[in-house]
Amino acid sequence: GENVEQHPSTLSVQEGDSAVIKCTYSDSASNYFPWYKQELGKRPQLIIDIRSNVGEKKDQRIAVTLNKTAKHFSLHITETQPEDSAVYFCAASRGGTSYGKLTFGQGTILTVHP
Amino acid sequence: DAGITQSPRHKVTETGTPVTLRCHQTENHRYMYWYRQDPGHGLRLIHYSYGVKDTDKGEVSDGYSVSRSKTEDFLLTLESATSSQTSVYFCAISATTNTEAFFGQGTRLTVV
Repeated sequence: GENVEQHPSTLSVQEGDSAVIKCTYSDSASNYFPWYKQELGKRPQLIIDIRSNVGEKKDQRIAVTLNKTAKHFSLHITETQPEDSAVYFCAASRGGTSYGKLTFGQGTILTVHP
Repeated sequence: DAGITQSPRHKVTETGTPVTLRCHQTENHRYMYWYRQDPGHGLRLIHYSYGVKDTDKGEVSDGYSVSRSKTEDFLLTLESATSSQTSVYFCAISATTNTEAFFGQGTRLTVV
């Protein structure tokens, strides 16, 4: 089955700096790559996603890049703010009835210091 | 927020007892998932469903069973709870396999 590795496990930055979280996946048939943010004590929520026919996607301060050849994708957060502090999860899915299950990475604890 | 509700929100149970967690949705989404969240392991898939009475195992399915007799309800049963099943359990729903998954509030289960 799919295996998703996420790095780093913790990331500490100063407010205004950029943060980058990287994920690799094992199943070359995976075609959907979402990123979730989980604040302390709350449920994970989607912040951005990308499909395999796209190499990059941006939404204000966040962006995701995908390299299908290398089987890795990354989350980029620019101009970080204290409210960006949370746990971030990447995930991968290959779609289809039996295979359409999201496999998550281990998570990255991002701390943004004021 | 998507209409997804988990019950109970908290439960303490004894080793060896059966436990059932319920996930209820009002979105009529086809896909439903049960994950467990443990420190250092992220979100690990236990079981998922792609339709009424259609379920499949995830990566950590041992000791768990599921049932989906109606579109809106997905039940997770711990057949005989063990301390290793102490965790936070999240249910999620999605309309298709490559669109946003919406998570419930989570159930904190403690097995003593």
